[in-house]
Amino acid sequence: EAGVAQSPRYKIIEKRQSVAFWCNPISGHATLYWYQQILGQGPKLLIQFQNNGVVDDSQLPKDRFSAERLKGVDSTLKIQPAKLEDSAVYLCASSEMWETQYFGPGTRLLVL
Amino acid sequence: DQQVKQNSPSLSVQEGRISILNCDYTNSMFDYFLWYKKYPAEGPTFLISISSIKDKNEDGRFTVFLNKSAKHLSLHIVPSQPGDSAVYFCAASARGNTPLVFGKGTRLSVIA
Repeated sequence: EAGVAQSPRYKIIEKRQSVAFWCNPISGHATLYWYQQILGQGPKLLIQFQNNGVVDDSQLPKDRFSAERLKGVDSTLKIQPAKLEDSAVYLCASSEMWETQYFGPGTRLLVL
Repeated sequence: DQQVKQNSPSLSVQEGRISILNCDYTNSMFDYFLWYKKYPAEGPTFLISISSIKDKNEDGRFTVFLNKSAKHLSLHIVPSQPGDSAVYFCAASARGNTPLVFGKGTRLSVIA
């Protein structure tokens, strides 16, 4: 069974630029999550989708971050404009049931 | 306010001995707990979980113990192997489709 796919794996941008990340969940998984993991911290949920609807986006900085889940499958997360403090690993996860989430390899973002 | 705490940032254990990783939580609504393992440049990998109706769950070399009254859980790895060297994250969620809350992780080093 293929795992969660993410791209790109690494991205370096300058502050105030925009960036987008892509995630393809495990086939059949209805729930998709985006997490931000800052160095030395555990992952923090940014947004959760159930099919193509948003379940929880309470911790998403909506002035600069946006996310969508096209047709309930793939998802993109965008940052515009980026700030230095957005440097982190962005993890996508999916789950079939609500308990166990399976993570992709992450996208490491560096904002200069 | 950290709801899930892993108070030991690092742990070193000799190969063949037992590794014990600890996790405390403050939210009494949490009823499902998971451990994830993370290698550098990879996403977290699901290891083992336990629901609040149990006090122990075992999978091969990995056992998770839950003490609800103390709001404490631990992961035991016996015997420890060099390939177990990674960062281990404890995570918890409340009943239903609620987001996982992660601890900051414990870096385990198994020395040959």
